[in-house]
Amino acid sequence: DTGVSQDPRHKITKRGQNVTFRCDPISEHNRLYWYRQTLGQGPEFLTYFQNEAQLEKSRLLSDRFSAERPKGSFSTLEIQRTEQGDSAMYLCASSLGGHRNEQFFGPGTRLTVL
Amino acid sequence: AQTVTQSQPEMSVQEAETVTLSCTYDTSESDYYLFWYKQPPSRQMILVIRQEAYKQQNATENRFSVNFQKAAKSFSLKISDSQLGDAAMYFCAYRIIQGAQKLVFGQGTRLTINP
Repeated sequence: DTGVSQDPRHKITKRGQNVTFRCDPISEHNRLYWYRQTLGQGPEFLTYFQNEAQLEKSRLLSDRFSAERPKGSFSTLEIQRTEQGDSAMYLCASSLGGHRNEQFFGPGTRLTVL
Repeated sequence: AQTVTQSQPEMSVQEAETVTLSCTYDTSESDYYLFWYKQPPSRQMILVIRQEAYKQQNATENRFSVNFQKAAKSFSLKISDSQLGDAAMYFCAYRIIQGAQKLVFGQGTRLTINP
């Protein structure tokens, strides 16, 4: 068990550019979550996958955001035409589901939009 | 909508002493889970302790214990014999049993341990 990994760990970009983040969950986990954490706040839910199906999206996920999990393994989160307000830590978590459904978090990708 | 409130942005405690972090939540559900997560500086979030709402007995994990008051919708975390490694942001979180089971987090409490 190597844990949840995220890449890159840090991303600095200019306003208007597109960025893509990757999350590799724990291998047998069928559920994958994306959260966003701004400075001094708790994480907020963005979206959730069960296997390859995206089953729920938050209203925080504007049209500029898209997430995929093409083969039910790793996931990508793309932000198009980045804005300064997109600066945050993007956290990925995975779980087995079920009643207990403990979510294991990755280290996050810190995005800074200049 | 479910909400989680942590009213203490910062707390500090002397090493080896006991500290209690507060959390309240709002929900209309009768069955749910509550959690305390720890986020050390520049490190990933890890689960400290969980409480199932249908269980009356308060959860305990070594030096960490909770005081779960379901009627008052209160869920505090007590850390006994505080250690320097306990210094971190602590987040209270809630989730329902069904559906996406997404976590709803509070704003966090920054805990400092004084040697």
